Amino acid sequence: GQSLEQPSEVTAVEGAIVQINCTYQTSGFYGLSWYQQHDGGAPTFLSYNGLDGLEETGRFSSFLSRSDSYGYLLLQELQMKDSASYFCARGNTPLVFGKGTRLSVIA
Amino acid sequence: EAQVTQNPRYLITVTGKKLTVTCSQNMNHEYMSWYRQDPGLGLRQIYYSMNVEVTDKGDVPEGYKVSRKEKRNFPLILESPSPNQTSLYFCASRGTSGRLNGELFFGEGSRLTVL
Repeated sequence: GQSLEQPSEVTAVEGAIVQINCTYQTSGFYGLSWYQQHDGGAPTFLSYNGLDGLEETGRFSSFLSRSDSYGYLLLQELQMKDSASYFCARGNTPLVFGKGTRLSVIA
Repeated sequence: EAQVTQNPRYLITVTGKKLTVTCSQNMNHEYMSWYRQDPGLGLRQIYYSMNVEVTDKGDVPEGYKVSRKEKRNFPLILESPSPNQTSLYFCASRGTSGRLNGELFFGEGSRLTVL
């Protein structure tokens, strides 16, 4: 079953910063990934953390703390096009997904 | 162009009528997987395959079969579909050598309705 927890919905203002948290069970941990999915589309890969710390890719950053079984996705300078669902996922093969966080960016 | 291709993209069928959703990838990936996506439940893994002739159950395998006779193809078979299998299905693949970055490449999805 699902072993990751993330908020179901988040709303943020255009231009702001938003953080989406993800906690996971520690058994068989092989890294934490993040995916973005727009309505009607397929999930697309955003980032991966195999070790503790921050990974930055443009406006998006992802953080991992293995000791806390916790990670987050940070989106900066929010744009309307960032409105989508965001999934954290643990493992490698197989990859297990959380239930997703629906981000709504408002003007 | 590197891609994962699923067919059909949309299908309406009736209970009990066997169907197959095909999945093909052109990236020589070892790992392939099927997920179903339902509102509020996220992506749940049905079956996955680490390589040719190697398949394993995911979290929700009941009512589904898969095969991996060739590296590029990983069809999903519903022998006797039921209405609770109405869902959006995604096939995905990734390579297993090199950097472990967890990046899965997804197909565009297949929306299945079972009446």
